[in-house]
Amino acid sequence: DQQVKQNSPSLSVQEGRISILNCDYTNSMFDYFLWYKKYPAEGPTFLISISSIKDKNEDGRFTVFLNKSAKHLSLHIVPSQPGDSAVYFCAASAGNQFYFGTGTSLTVIP
Amino acid sequence: EAQVTQNPRYLITVTGKKLTVTCSQNMNHEYMSWYRQDPGLGLRQIYYSMNVEVTDKGDVPEGYKVSRKEKRNFPLILESPSPNQTSLYFCASSKGTPELYNEQFFGPGTRLTVL
Repeated sequence: DQQVKQNSPSLSVQEGRISILNCDYTNSMFDYFLWYKKYPAEGPTFLISISSIKDKNEDGRFTVFLNKSAKHLSLHIVPSQPGDSAVYFCAASAGNQFYFGTGTSLTVIP
Repeated sequence: EAQVTQNPRYLITVTGKKLTVTCSQNMNHEYMSWYRQDPGLGLRQIYYSMNVEVTDKGDVPEGYKVSRKEKRNFPLILESPSPNQTSLYFCASSKGTPELYNEQFFGPGTRLTVL
């Protein structure tokens, strides 16, 4: 059963606007939450993470928000750029294991 | 250049013919892991290793074996491949266990087709 879910397979946003990618999870034992970005024919690359004891983490244009009561995670990209077009995976870790979502394909329209 | 390499990048094989996908990292990382990516299922962890001679099952270990005899290498072995193992496979590594080092570095992927 999928413990990390990304319910939106795709998202299109205009360049310069905000992109919001969402993720839901079911396991309250998750310690860390992460976002990875994946271009075609390449492996995923790490973007940003957040500990379960925090509710927000920022890194440049990328901010991750965690709402533990709702078991919900979101990634905000502001401003969105065409180079951000990729598949974004959210992931979570519990103990020594990782669990990934199914991915959201983001297209940033110039 | 710091990297995770996988070989081969593409492989077409037949049911039952044993194969090995190699994975090597040059970052002296302790934690290594294998994932498979399938449409609609995302990435699922097959096996992971926290150090030499220490391996453990992930979410979907059935039909796979791994070994960690050296720190840099973590091969994935399919002793009797079946068509349901047709997938895109990724190897990844990180400095240490997820509690301390949750950023993983991924290889470029191996596209496996089992006929």
